[in-house]
Amino acid sequence: DTAVSQTPKYLVTQMGNDKSIKCEQNLGHDTMYWYKQDSKKFLKIMFSYNNKELIINETVPNRFSPKSPDKAHLNLHINSLELGDSAVYFCASSWDREGEQYFGPGTRLTVT
Amino acid sequence: SQQGEEDPQALSIQEGENATMNCSYKTSINNLQWYRQNSGRGLVHLILIRSNEREKHSGRLRVTLDTSKKSSSLLITASRAADTASYFCATQTGANNLFFGTGTRLTVIP
Repeated sequence: DTAVSQTPKYLVTQMGNDKSIKCEQNLGHDTMYWYKQDSKKFLKIMFSYNNKELIINETVPNRFSPKSPDKAHLNLHINSLELGDSAVYFCASSWDREGEQYFGPGTRLTVT
Repeated sequence: SQQGEEDPQALSIQEGENATMNCSYKTSINNLQWYRQNSGRGLVHLILIRSNEREKHSGRLRVTLDTSKKSSSLLITASRAADTASYFCATQTGANNLFFGTGTRLTVIP
């Protein structure tokens, strides 16, 4: 009964490739998020998505694009991968835009 | 930047001792949250304290909030080896994004 799931858990790819990470939540939450955690464990919000409203962090390159086919899914597509994109990416969800968030297990992306 | 900072960056204690972690932030907030992250895992929500609250308890956890000093502390009493993890504070202003601190790495020695 995983609440927030992500696939794949590990992703190794070469520079220049395009890849996607999938996220699903079965909690009935209205809001979903993508975070990036760097090698120093610093966790930074990339996107939040609430009832078809997308809030983009201005520092995120436009190579990153979230796609939400429905309320339970928020996928992350990355174009033209760069070495600096290597990190752990976490999906999360919450009932609304204020309050506790539930995190997925993370996807470790390694770009070679 | 709204990023918080935890202090200390790393803490090592014996099992049974209490662990105190501090968090400082820069802007006015609606709430402050504490999360735990075990190695290689996602974050788990521990406790949320609102700006009009000063103290909150949950089991062995005690959180305080001082909005005048823009700081919070997390106390874990009677620590266990299973408490070994990284602990993050996160601040939220209204219906906006969470901004996480830099984390405290806690090691509880059996």
